[in-house]
Amino acid sequence: ETGVTQSPTHLIKTRGQQVTLRCSSQSGHNTVSWYQQALGQGPQFIFQYYREEENGRGNFPPRFSGLQFPNYSSELNVNALELDDSALYLCASSSPLSRSTDTQYFGPGTRLTVL
Amino acid sequence: GESVGLHLPTLSVQEGDNSIINCAYSNSASDYFIWYKQESGKGPQFIIDIRSNMDKRQGQRVTVLLNKTVKHLSLQIAATQPGDSAVYFCAENTYSGGGADGLTFGKGTHLIIQP
Repeated sequence: ETGVTQSPTHLIKTRGQQVTLRCSSQSGHNTVSWYQQALGQGPQFIFQYYREEENGRGNFPPRFSGLQFPNYSSELNVNALELDDSALYLCASSSPLSRSTDTQYFGPGTRLTVL
Repeated sequence: GESVGLHLPTLSVQEGDNSIINCAYSNSASDYFIWYKQESGKGPQFIIDIRSNMDKRQGQRVTVLLNKTVKHLSLQIAATQPGDSAVYFCAENTYSGGGADGLTFGKGTHLIIQP
């Protein structure tokens, strides 16, 4: 077990709704990254938070937003849900020694289904 | 297209045999690589990593080989066990000079262990 926890485990929403997913990072880790994993695919980078600020972002629209709190936990918010947002959302925590050697440890994920 | 990919979607091996899972990457600027194991319904689990200044790294029953000339990465699992059944992803970390770029994953190889 990595010590990274996510809630909820599963979630069902309808198109157009908004959702908030939560992540607690592993003890000692100050960086949180979020990924979207569609069925049968590898995870896709959404964004990363460090010291409560967005530190980098993948190719996701602005309706995907996030927060990081002083205790390094994080939230992922998705507005105006679309059917294609159905996926496993993964949180990973790390304390990178450098920008290019970021060993990330993943939580169990939140399975989001949009109907 | 994706920066990181795997050659085979499925690999079937006999229990006790050695497994070799391959990965090709296209970004020559990538300087850190990680192998993850993902079991059904779980988040990716860190297996082993390697930096670009190394050619080989060994862990417990696993070895990662990096060939920067042909941009190829492989994961060798010795004496494969039923518990090794999972999808294996290679991931690369590249720092482009701006914010974090996250990890780039391929689609994964499903390792199936035959009794």
